[in-house]
Formats: sequence, structure tokens, C-alpha cells
Amino acid sequence: DSGVTQTPKHLITATGQRVTLRCSPRSGDLSVYWYQQSLDQGLQFLIQYYNGEERAKGNILERFSAQQFPDLHSELNLSSLELGDSALYFCASNLGTTNEQFFGPGTRLTVL
Amino acid sequence: GDSVTQMEGPVTLSEEAFLTINCTYTATGYPSLFWYVQYPGEGLQLLLKATKADDKGSNKGFEATYRKETTSFHLEKGSVQVSDSAVYFCALPSGGDKLIFGTGTRLQVFP
Repeated sequence: DSGVTQTPKHLITATGQRVTLRCSPRSGDLSVYWYQQSLDQGLQFLIQYYNGEERAKGNILERFSAQQFPDLHSELNLSSLELGDSALYFCASNLGTTNEQFFGPGTRLTVL
Repeated sequence: GDSVTQMEGPVTLSEEAFLTINCTYTATGYPSLFWYVQYPGEGLQLLLKATKADDKGSNKGFEATYRKETTSFHLEKGSVQVSDSAVYFCALPSGGDKLIFGTGTRLQVFP
């Protein structure tokens, strides 16, 4: 158990809908990262927050957004969902001072 | 840009066989290198890491040595078990803190 929690574990929704994925980092970690794992793209970095501020952005679509709240949990919002958004979404965290990241169990999103 | 290349899988072995999963990288400077493992239905777990050239990371019988001459970080284990069946990812930090991953190598170990 990495100490990073993600909810929900599974999410099934329809095209055009909007969903929110939630992540709670390990106790004491200030940095949260979001990754997408799909069969065709592999593991791709989406976005990083550090202590409430966006720090780095990767291949994140404009339909996707994220935020980190004062209690350091983070949410990833996915809107206008398409079939191709079906994937595993992982959250990871660390102190923000090292490269090593600790991953949550992931949220499996299925868009029908 | 930075990149990680892993050998294609799946790798299929009998229990107690020797394992090598190749990983080579392209990077600016000498970043830390990681191996992560993903067991079925689970998230990624850090398996081992090396922070500088010639470092050897080890954990649970797995080893990998940071070779800057060959820009490689191959994963090895002397005797695999059925419980080692998983997907293994080589990774390095790039452009700050984010990790970039190889495509993953699926290992299947049969009794």
C-alpha cells in the first residue's frame, strides 16, 4: 500500500459526459501527479500540482482540467468524454523534492 | 527529447529461470533511473532505483545497474517465481519532476 488513495476505482459513463476523479496523496506529500495509461499511448504524464499550484503540464487535453485543494487532495476533471478517453488514470505523489513517485491504485474509466 | 526504450514482451519463462528485461534511455545529463512493477489489477510500485552512474539498485531479488557508457538500465533476476508475473516499466524523470516511462514489458512465469 503506497498510501495514495484514488476514488472511484471504476467509472462507466457515456460519451459527452463529465466525470471527476479524486486523489488523496500520501501524508506529508505536497506534489501530486496525474498519468493516463492506455493501450495505444502507454503511460503518459498529464499534469502536476505542488502545494496547490500547477507546476508542470504534459499531454493533457483542453477538455481535461485538474486542481489541488488546500488539504492537498487533487481532482482531475474530464469533460465532453470520447470513447478514446477510456483508460486507467493514475495519481502519484511525493514530497516534491525527489524524483521518486508513489502511485495510487488507479481509476479505470470506461466511456461507452 | 528524453526517452526510454524497453524490449517488447511478453517474456515467458519457467519458474527458477533467469530474467533479463532490457532498458535503454536517452536523456540530458545523468538522471535517476527507476524500475516500476504493475501487478494485475494494481497500480505501479517502485521496484528499485539508481541515482548515479554505476549505482546498482536492488530489491526482492531484482537488480539493475546504471550504465552510462551504454545508456542502459537492464533489469535482472536470477530465479523468477510465478508471483513475479507482472508488467515492468523502466522510467526516468524528465523536464523537472514528471516521469517518462517505457512501453512496459509483460513477464509471464509458469510453474
